[in-house]
Parts: sequence; structure tokens; C-alpha cells
Amino acid sequence: EAGVVQSPRYKIIEKKQPVAFWCNPISGHNTLYWYRQNLGQGPELLIRYENEEAVDDSQLPKDRFSAERLKGVDSTLKIQPAELGDSAVYLCASSSGETQYFGPGTRLLVL
Amino acid sequence: SQQGEEDPQALSIQEGENATMNCSYKTSINNLQWYRQNSGRGLVHLILIRSNEREKHSGRLRVTLDTSKKSSSLLITASRAADTASYFCATAGYNTDKLIFGTGTRLQVFP
Repeated sequence: EAGVVQSPRYKIIEKKQPVAFWCNPISGHNTLYWYRQNLGQGPELLIRYENEEAVDDSQLPKDRFSAERLKGVDSTLKIQPAELGDSAVYLCASSSGETQYFGPGTRLLVL
Repeated sequence: SQQGEEDPQALSIQEGENATMNCSYKTSINNLQWYRQNSGRGLVHLILIRSNEREKHSGRLRVTLDTSKKSSSLLITASRAADTASYFCATAGYNTDKLIFGTGTRLQVFP
């Protein structure tokens, strides 16, 4: 069974540029999560989806971040415009119960 | 904000030795989970312990939970070089599958 797939794995952009991350969850998992992990820290939840509905986006900086999960499967997370402080690893996870399965993450560097 | 604080922040041991990591949290929980993260990779679920459990085993892993002290420990017995990774505790509250991660313990096992 394929795991959670994320792309790209790495992204380097200049500040004020837009960037997008893509996630394909494990087949059959209705719940999808986006986390941000700063260097030396644990992941922090940005947004959680149940099927195509965002049920918890309280930690998502809505002025510059947006996300969507069309048809309740794949999801994209977008930052526009990116700031220096957005440099981090962006992790996607999916679950069908209490255990979350994580993708390898996208490492973003904003210059 | 992160719920858990882990101790120690970093741990170095020789192969064959045991490694113990501790996690403290602040609010009531439904369950506590431990995850492993290899360098540059996503997180892998190790073990889940519920609030009404005190101890749980999985292979070389032993987890304890003391809800009165709001703390948990992860013991890895007979460590191997392949156990080198960062270990995170994560707590889940009642009526939610939202996980709040700790700051992590970086474990280095020398051959």
C-alpha cells in the first residue's frame, strides 16, 4: 500500500513569491492534515480536513495561506506571498482512525 | 503552541544500551502517542497509550503513562544504530483526533 505522497520534496523561492505544496493521502483515508515543522521543533497543525470540509483551520494564517481538498482526496496548500519566516518543513498526514500517517514533507526555504 | 515538553532534548548512547525519553504535558488527554522521525523524513507512528492505561509494550519499546503527573516515558531497550532519530510525543484530547506534539528528543546511537 502506498503511503502519503507529497511534492515537491524541496522548494527554494524568494520572499514575496507564491508557492504551492501537493499531497496525496493514503487511499480511503477521509481525514487529511497539514502541519508545519520549524527546525528543532515538533509539527504544529495548520489545517485538518474531514473529506472536503476544513474542520479545523484555527492555526492557518489566513492572510497568506490557503488550502483546498477537492473531491475529498488530494490537497494543496498555498502560500502567497511567502515570507522569510515561512521557511520550514510542511508535512501532510492522513488517517482513518487515531493513528496518523505522515508523508516525507516539503522542505521550503524562503530567501 | 506545543503541549508537550520532552526531556532530554538530546541523548547519546552506545548500541546495546537502553534509552529513556520523557514527555510532560499540560491538559487532560484521551491518549498519548509516540512518533519517530528520521533525518529529512516524515514521522512514523510507534505506539499509542490511552489515558486509562499505565504501561504498554511493543517489541523493544515500553511506554508508561502517569496521568496524575501528566507525564509519559518511552524506553527503547537494547538500542541499535538504526534507532538514531528524533522521537516526539503527541497528545490527543477527548472528542478530537487533533494531535499536539512535543518538542522532541534527538537520540544518537553509536555503533
